Amino acid sequence: DAKTTQPPSMDCAEGRAANLPCNHSTISGNEYVYWYRQIHSQGPQYIIHGLKNNETNEMASLIITEDRKSSTLILPHATLRDTAVYYCIANNAGNMLTFGGGTRLMVKP
Amino acid sequence: GAVVSQHPSWVICKSGTSVKIECRSLDFQATTMFWYRQFPKQSLMLMATSNEGSKATYEQGVEKDKFLINHASLTLSTLTVTSAHPEDSSFYICSAGAEINNEQFFGPGTRLTVL
Repeated sequence: DAKTTQPPSMDCAEGRAANLPCNHSTISGNEYVYWYRQIHSQGPQYIIHGLKNNETNEMASLIITEDRKSSTLILPHATLRDTAVYYCIANNAGNMLTFGGGTRLMVKP
Repeated sequence: GAVVSQHPSWVICKSGTSVKIECRSLDFQATTMFWYRQFPKQSLMLMATSNEGSKATYEQGVEKDKFLINHASLTLSTLTVTSAHPEDSSFYICSAGAEINNEQFFGPGTRLTVL
């Protein structure tokens, strides 16, 4: 798996967009970018994944740069329940996931 | 999304006890399941890859005789922590891949506390 780099922590005001960056400069052509989050004492929750194109679902949007060396997860209207550790993972589909330190997002009222 | 369950959610046991943790994919079949361990304030660490009908593949440093994995069916994998000791106390999480859409779904985790 390609190594990913994320800031250790971020704050976001409730109701505002949360933009979480991730660098994956060594990503290979067949590796997807996956985002998961983990709320305290729970199992990780899948958020979104993409290969080249930007993706959007009911939870978030994923913006991948044209060179695929970085991406941004966007939570359009963060709520207090979005406070969690967010993990960005570059991975071949179906393979084991290797978790880095992630970004601890704190949504504040 | 697909649902993965784990049982039990929390177990407290005495040192020397063996503990079995079940991981089930409830609405899909999973040829491969993964077992992770997470210590407090740390990230998830992959322990082993569980393959249905064959032996598990263990990560370096994980003792296969201590952490027994059985993947008897396409919906069930079990992890048995044999002769558990306090240092085995951790949060154990399984995941299963839904091959159709390349997503991997995680169970809610099992918290093991060994006294």
